[in-house]
Amino acid sequence: GAGVSQTPSNKVTEKGKYVELRCDPISGHTALYWYRQSLGQGPEFLIYFQGTGAADDSGLPNDRFFAVRPEGSVSTLKIQRTERGDSAVYLCASSRQKAGGLADTQYFGPGTRLTVL
Amino acid sequence: DAKTTQPPSMDCAEGRAANLPCNHSTISGNEYVYWYRQIHSQGPQYIIHGLKNNETNEMASLIITEDRKSSTLILPHATLRDTAVYYCIVRVLYTDKLIFGTGTRLQVFP
Repeated sequence: GAGVSQTPSNKVTEKGKYVELRCDPISGHTALYWYRQSLGQGPEFLIYFQGTGAADDSGLPNDRFFAVRPEGSVSTLKIQRTERGDSAVYLCASSRQKAGGLADTQYFGPGTRLTVL
Repeated sequence: DAKTTQPPSMDCAEGRAANLPCNHSTISGNEYVYWYRQIHSQGPQYIIHGLKNNETNEMASLIITEDRKSSTLILPHATLRDTAVYYCIVRVLYTDKLIFGTGTRLQVFP
């Protein structure tokens, strides 16, 4: 079946602008995760949704970053007043939730490469 | 912080077995070992995971030492397409975030 999809694949913006990054999880996956990957580093956790609610947003670096998942499926990561340091690949992953609350394997999308000039 | 230690890079000849080590000396009893890989410009791809028994699937085998302080991912017949960064992750099954380190860059050569 279809995997996790992310749009756009590339986004170039100017410092101070607002951007939105979209993630479409695998159908039926209730859990959704956002990660950020800087050059030469492993992915870094940002936020995790279970259904519509953010269950863990401890990885969001500051209040310029915000994410929503209003209907429990598609999620949007929003970055206000972008800075050059926000340049990175933003990855989305989704997983099923097993019985008993156990988290299942996370499957990743291809990512959105954000460049802030 | 990542709870695993991996060599930064390894080479392997095509057709040979690639053995990627990982140290996780502080692993707890309820923590699983997960392996992902990331081919250039793609998202991480799940490979395999295990708790204490050795595991095998169509992609790889995972060997976990009896004391669970280290493990080895084995790609039995490496191909050029296996060139990637391989991440070893220790994950508590009830938690939901993956904490990646910097991984091992595996280069498979002809």
